[in-house]
Amino acid sequence: RKEVEQDPGPFNVPEGATVAFNCTYSNSASQSFFWYRQDCRKEPKLLMSVYSSGNEDGRFTAQLNRASQYISLLIRDSKLSDSATYLCVVNQGTGGFKTIFGAGTRLFVKA
Amino acid sequence: GAVVSQHPSWVICKSGTSVKIECRSLDFQATTMFWYRQFPKQSLMLMATSNEGSKATYEQGVEKDKFLINHASLTLSTLTVTSAHPEDSSFYICSARDLGAAGQSYEQYFGPGTRLTVT
Repeated sequence: RKEVEQDPGPFNVPEGATVAFNCTYSNSASQSFFWYRQDCRKEPKLLMSVYSSGNEDGRFTAQLNRASQYISLLIRDSKLSDSATYLCVVNQGTGGFKTIFGAGTRLFVKA
Repeated sequence: GAVVSQHPSWVICKSGTSVKIECRSLDFQATTMFWYRQFPKQSLMLMATSNEGSKATYEQGVEKDKFLINHASLTLSTLTVTSAHPEDSSFYICSARDLGAAGQSYEQYFGPGTRLTVT
């Protein structure tokens, strides 16, 4: 089992749709969680951190369920510019903070 | 926000030559930097973790004698691809981790990447 698993995608949605990405992690000692966005042929960029209480940034909502070891990202009112690969990222362990990247989920938003 | 630069952004070299890539954290100190490689349509692959003042930790399957990493200061890490071959052609991305005031690890900030083509 992979340490961080994401929906394989791709997700093809029309503009204005709501889309949800799921991510699970295997190490219960994981400490911090993030969603990154990567555009084609570009570096990953931090989209948002994920907190236990859940957090929202505009059209984006991230949630963490530690009991289920599950992270989600919800995008509302999808825009064409949201088309990208979304990476789930987990920092695990103590001291060394090993960072594990999910394989990413590709999103295509179409007009 | 935290900024990481990488140089060069694009390089073409002949087979057998060596290529050095620099990664700098511009507005924060990074005791740990990471080097990744990404082939087309594939996910990021961690190559090594670079710790300031000590030897890098390489992931399984990554040749340390081929991919030389130096992290001489808190703001600079370099990756040298020695005796490059066409199969080394890839997108190399560095990242730096900013430590919070309490020393707790936070998110990674990525450099813009270096596209290496070996002919």
